[in-house]
Amino acid sequence: GQQLNQSPQSMFIQEGEDVSMNCTSSSIFNTWLWYKQDPGEGPVLLIALYKAGELTSNGRLTAQFGITRKDSFLNISASIPSDVGIYFCAGHSGGSNYKLTFGKGTLLTVNP
Amino acid sequence: GAVVSQHPSWVICKSGTSVKIECRSLDFQATTMFWYRQFPKQSLMLMATSNEGSKATYEQGVEKDKFLINHASLTLSTLTVTSAHPEDSSFYICSALLAGGPSEQYFGPGTRLTVT
Repeated sequence: GQQLNQSPQSMFIQEGEDVSMNCTSSSIFNTWLWYKQDPGEGPVLLIALYKAGELTSNGRLTAQFGITRKDSFLNISASIPSDVGIYFCAGHSGGSNYKLTFGKGTLLTVNP
Repeated sequence: GAVVSQHPSWVICKSGTSVKIECRSLDFQATTMFWYRQFPKQSLMLMATSNEGSKATYEQGVEKDKFLINHASLTLSTLTVTSAHPEDSSFYICSALLAGGPSEQYFGPGTRLTVT
C-alpha cells in the first residue's frame, strides 16, 4: 500500500534539545495521527489531528496538520531520555474503512 | 481509557502447528479491529481488517486461509496462524477502533511469535 514519506529516519540528540520530524503524502488525508513505539511494545497514540491547520499540544509535544492536508509535523521540546523510541506518523484519507497509512518511522535517540 | 490487550505476549511453536492470538478492547467497544505484522526495524504492515459479526477483509498478498480472523464480539478479535512456518515468525500487533468515535486506532502491546 501507499507509504508516507517520514523524515528524518533517525536522530541523535542531547537531552534538553528540541526535535522536529515530519511526514508528507502525495494524497490528501483527513486525519493525521502520531504514535510512539518502544521496543517490544505496541504503538501508543500521542496526538490526533482532524482539521487542516490544526495545531495541537500534548505536554512537550506539538503537532500540526498541514494546510494542504498532505503533511504534518511533530515537535518535541526539551527532550528527555524517556523520549527515546520510534515515532510513526499515520494518515487516514476518510471513508468508512478507517485504514491507516503509516510512515516508516523516526528513530529518536537522546543522550543524557 | 482506550486500552487494548493481547494474549499471549509471546509464543514459541513448532512448524506445522497453529497458534491463536487474542486481541481485546478492555474499556470500550470496537466494531472494527485491525491486525498488523511488523518486522524488525520496519513499519507496521496491515494484514487485515476485522469487523464484528462479518468476515475479515484481507490486504493483498495476505493468505486468508493461513491467517484466520474471527471477530465474534465487540471486544474480542482473534488471529489464528495455521500450519505455522519459520517465516511466519514476527511481531503481530492488533488495534481497535473506538465504536462511534473519531478515527483513532488504539494498539495492543503486540505478540512475538517464534516458529521453530
